[in-house]
Order: sequence, then structure tokens, then C-alpha cells
Amino acid sequence: EIVMTQSPATLSVSPGERATLSCRASQSVSSNLAWYQQKPGQAPRLLIYGASTRATGIPARFSGSGSGTEFTLTISSLQSEDFAVYYCQQYNNWPPVTFGGGTKVETK
Amino acid sequence: QMQLVESGGGLVKPGGSLRLSCAASGFTFSDYYMSWIRRAPGKGLEWVSYITNSGSNTYYADSVKGRFTISRDNAKNSLDLQMNSLRAEDTALYYCVVGYRKIDFWGQGTLVTVSS
Repeated sequence: EIVMTQSPATLSVSPGERATLSCRASQSVSSNLAWYQQKPGQAPRLLIYGASTRATGIPARFSGSGSGTEFTLTISSLQSEDFAVYYCQQYNNWPPVTFGGGTKVETK
Repeated sequence: QMQLVESGGGLVKPGGSLRLSCAASGFTFSDYYMSWIRRAPGKGLEWVSYITNSGSNTYYADSVKGRFTISRDNAKNSLDLQMNSLRAEDTALYYCVVGYRKIDFWGQGTLVTVSS
């Protein structure tokens, strides 16, 4: 089973600033990586798949990069609605698909 | 648009059973593989099971294999998860989701608590 590790656990950012979230896989997952956003009391929402493809309706300020074992989610200019928990997930070696522990993006 | 509504969660004693259901709407249910994913309190997301679009094939996490059964009724646009021999470690919020690799859409979840 592939272990996904996200860092940092919590990221404090001011609105309008750039946020950079990291995700590392215990072995290569090629580009088979997704990012999800979850706000309190809501279901997770798909943001990015294929490491860098935005899902339908996702604003351009969200971008994903990386391949192999190192991945990054960048939010170019944080909006108030972006404060949430973000999860990465690999779907290269499945089942099972596996998730990272999450990064909470909070207001600085 | 896609909508998934889970039901059936609740409090059950260790060793007991519970059946979760998920009502799907807003998309052609029979075209999609479906899965259950859970999140235990204070823990991360864990894939539990998935079923192919026809229902002919099913897969389970090792932690639930032999105890949980996933099924679907494409005529009724519904997905079920029969959970037997429940353990304290099965306590979690259970999400019905569309997809089996990347997850295209998530329901709001239904809470299962296993406690004496």
C-alpha cells in the first residue's frame, strides 16, 4: 500500500497570499494523483486530477504540479472561500487508493 | 447535477450489523463505478470498497473484507453497504462516492458509531 504524506499539517496564510501545499508518495504514482478540498460540514470536492488537470468549475488560481513521488498544490491568491482542508490521493496502485492526512489552510 | 444522499448510519454495538444506503440522482448511475470511503474520528480518509458499474465485480479493503458487502441496484439508482461483525474501529463517517480511482463526487456522509 502506498503511503501519502502531506506537509505542512497546518498552513497559516493571509487572504491574497500564495499557498503551497506538498504531498509525497512512498513510491512512484506517476501522475495519478488527485487533490480534494473539504470545508467544515461539507463533502470533499475534487479540485485536481492527473496531478495538474483542474476539475470542472475549479478556478484557475488552483494549480497542481509534480510527478513520481513529489507533488504540489498551489493556490495563487487565497480567497476567503479557500480556507479549508486539502487532501491528496494516489490512484496509481489500486486497490486501495490512498489518501494523505490533509493540510489545513487557515487564516493568518 | 450529481447528488448522493446517504442514510442508515447510527449507533450499533460491537458485533452488530448495519446497512448503509445511498440514493443517487442527477447522473446516469449505471454508467459509473461507485465506492464507499470513510473517515474515522481524528484519522484520515480510508477507501472501503468499490463496485463496478454493472455490479459484477466488487473490491474491499483488507480491514473490512469478509465483513462488509457492497451492492447496487441500477434500476433504483441506489448503492448499499451491508456491514456485519462491526468493530469499534469501524466507527467513522461513511461517504458514498462516484468513482473508484479519482473520486468525481462525494455525498455528505452518514455517521456510524460502534460502541457498547
